[in-house]
Amino acid sequence: EPEVTQTPSHQVTQMGQEVILRCVPISNHLYFYWYRQILGQKVEFLVSFYNNEISEKSEIFDDQFSVERPDGSNFTLKIRSTKLEDSAMYFCASRKLAGRTDTQYFGPGTRLTVL
Amino acid sequence: GNSVTQMEGPVTLSEEAFLTINCTYTATGYPSLFWYVQYPGEGLQLLLKATKADDKGSNKGFEATYRKETTSFHLEKGSVQVSDSAVYFCALSGGPRGGGADGLTFGKGTHLIIQP
Repeated sequence: EPEVTQTPSHQVTQMGQEVILRCVPISNHLYFYWYRQILGQKVEFLVSFYNNEISEKSEIFDDQFSVERPDGSNFTLKIRSTKLEDSAMYFCASRKLAGRTDTQYFGPGTRLTVL
Repeated sequence: GNSVTQMEGPVTLSEEAFLTINCTYTATGYPSLFWYVQYPGEGLQLLLKATKADDKGSNKGFEATYRKETTSFHLEKGSVQVSDSAVYFCALSGGPRGGGADGLTFGKGTHLIIQP
């Protein structure tokens, strides 16, 4: 069964450094998402991406964040200058169809630790 | 805006007990409703969903019915097992903007512990 994959599984970085989190969505999916989950808290929507542009973003997704689909398979989240409060689990998700009824499939997550 | 409220945990039950995890929502329009499960050390997996009022989603013995009149989507299982121990998240999709790009709105999650 196709699945969303994410690399790395765990990333440790120093405050102020740039990080890139990578995701490979399910191959025939068209909509891509990033979410984060701070330890012990709920999963929060960051951004959605369709047709090579951002469709929607939350207030969390400020100028420090960017997303890109550099080729036909990868979907990346870049944090330009990490802060301590960026420490969280970051989940990528993808969806095949338009519309609210279709299911989003999640990857296993990347745990980001900012020191 | 959209919001999801679910009962706080942890919820601790004995094996074979009946489970209910409450979930209520606030949304404009006609959201779809989901339950996701997160096993220890893993990502989010879809457990079940319902896309319109009075629909019942079911999977692995779990059920939830989309109740528009009470804006609820409570998760139930008749007889839980130790392997059901996990964190359960209620979520909704869709809102005033509609469309395929809408992100999911999640509740805070309910940690379920099943004891043998």
